Amino acid sequence: NAGVTQTPKFRILKIGQSMTLQCTQDMNHNYMYWYRQDPGMGLKLIYYSVGAGITDKGEVPNGYNVSRSTTEDFPLRLELAAPSQTSVYFCASSLTGGLSNQPQHFGDGTRLSIL
Amino acid sequence: AQKITQTQPGMFVQEKEAVTLDCTYDTSDQSYGLFWYKQPSSGEMIFLIYQGSYDEQNATEGRYSLNFQKARKSANLVISASQLGDSAMYFCAMKGPGYIPTFGRGTSLIVHP
Repeated sequence: NAGVTQTPKFRILKIGQSMTLQCTQDMNHNYMYWYRQDPGMGLKLIYYSVGAGITDKGEVPNGYNVSRSTTEDFPLRLELAAPSQTSVYFCASSLTGGLSNQPQHFGDGTRLSIL
Repeated sequence: AQKITQTQPGMFVQEKEAVTLDCTYDTSDQSYGLFWYKQPSSGEMIFLIYQGSYDEQNATEGRYSLNFQKARKSANLVISASQLGDSAMYFCAMKGPGYIPTFGRGTSLIVHP
């Protein structure tokens, strides 16, 4: 069972470079999320999607973009990387939104450093 | 708006003893769910236990149980018979009728042999 797969696991970028963090899930989940985790700060939501073709901003969307062309894939794009974007990025998916006992399933994370 | 507060940045427990990790929440929703996740040093997030706001009994999953006190808006995680492998960050989260869960800042648990 692959679950949620994130690539790459580690990446170092130079200031001003761009990159795409890949996320794919094989559980046919409609709901997908991108979080960043900074030390001691828990998880902050960047973007989320409730289905193919539908995305919306979370708490900290500035400097990021997403797309959701298929149910399986939810890539996160960083344009003009800045040191403040150094973080660990998690992709998650869930079967249902709203009230439900269904938890989120997380990928293993991408550790990104901007130098 | 929803808010989750985990007031213990770090906790220590002796192996084989029980430990309680605190979680308080604030919400205007009448119906909601509370989740606990474990994040080992390897980084992945692992779902542990769920409690619905209208569940009459406290949730249990193996050595994990949830001490749910609705009137006090608390959902504390109890780990019985701690093991060295329980050393990790623990996150409390809640979700209401909307799409977006809210996470606490986490509690670091260290289990001593």
